[in-house]
Amino acid sequence: QKEVEQNSGPLSVPEGAIASLNCTYSDRGSQSFFWYRQYSGKSPELIMFIYSNGDKEDGRFTAQLNKASQYVSLLIRDSQPSDSATYLCAVISGYSSASKIIFGSGTRLSIRP
Amino acid sequence: DTAVSQTPKYLVTQMGNDKSIKCEQNLGHDTMYWYKQDSKKFLKIMFSYNNKELIINETVPNRFSPKSPDKAHLNLHINSLELGDSAVYFCASSQRLAEPTNEQFFGPGTRLTVL
Repeated sequence: QKEVEQNSGPLSVPEGAIASLNCTYSDRGSQSFFWYRQYSGKSPELIMFIYSNGDKEDGRFTAQLNKASQYVSLLIRDSQPSDSATYLCAVISGYSSASKIIFGSGTRLSIRP
Repeated sequence: DTAVSQTPKYLVTQMGNDKSIKCEQNLGHDTMYWYKQDSKKFLKIMFSYNNKELIINETVPNRFSPKSPDKAHLNLHINSLELGDSAVYFCASSQRLAEPTNEQFFGPGTRLTVL
């Protein structure tokens, strides 16, 4: 079982709709959860992080965390063509010096006009 | 005022050669990383350094040797390049290891092609 799993997509969503991206993780000790966006040929950039159960909103983006079910999701409201990218879920377990961030393989999102 | 920079951006070389990739960050961060992203976009950590000290060394072949002359620089040297080394290599930095946020700031990447 992969440590962080995402549906590779592509996920096609009409402009203006809500895009829903999901991620599951295997380590119950995971503490921090991140969503990175990566445009084709570019480097990943952080969109949001979350470490408490529940929802966290930032503009059009909402991250949702459910530690009991070991999943984290990202909702993008009012989807725009500029949201078309690969979204990488990432997880950190623990806060020791040996903690490392583990990425999922990403979900490719395509917003159709 | 680039935050994390890498050179070169593209690297095309023959099998068996030795090559280096350089990385520098001007964010004042303590921790730096090397990641490899394969053709399927899977981003996997290779090494992390905290204040010039090696912290994480994933199961990476010995042909890969990182060097951190100071906490603002982390270079990657690769010996005897193989076809399977072809990938995009990202350098990244973060403020500190043991933090809940621990946002990673990525460099632009180095696309390595081994022929």
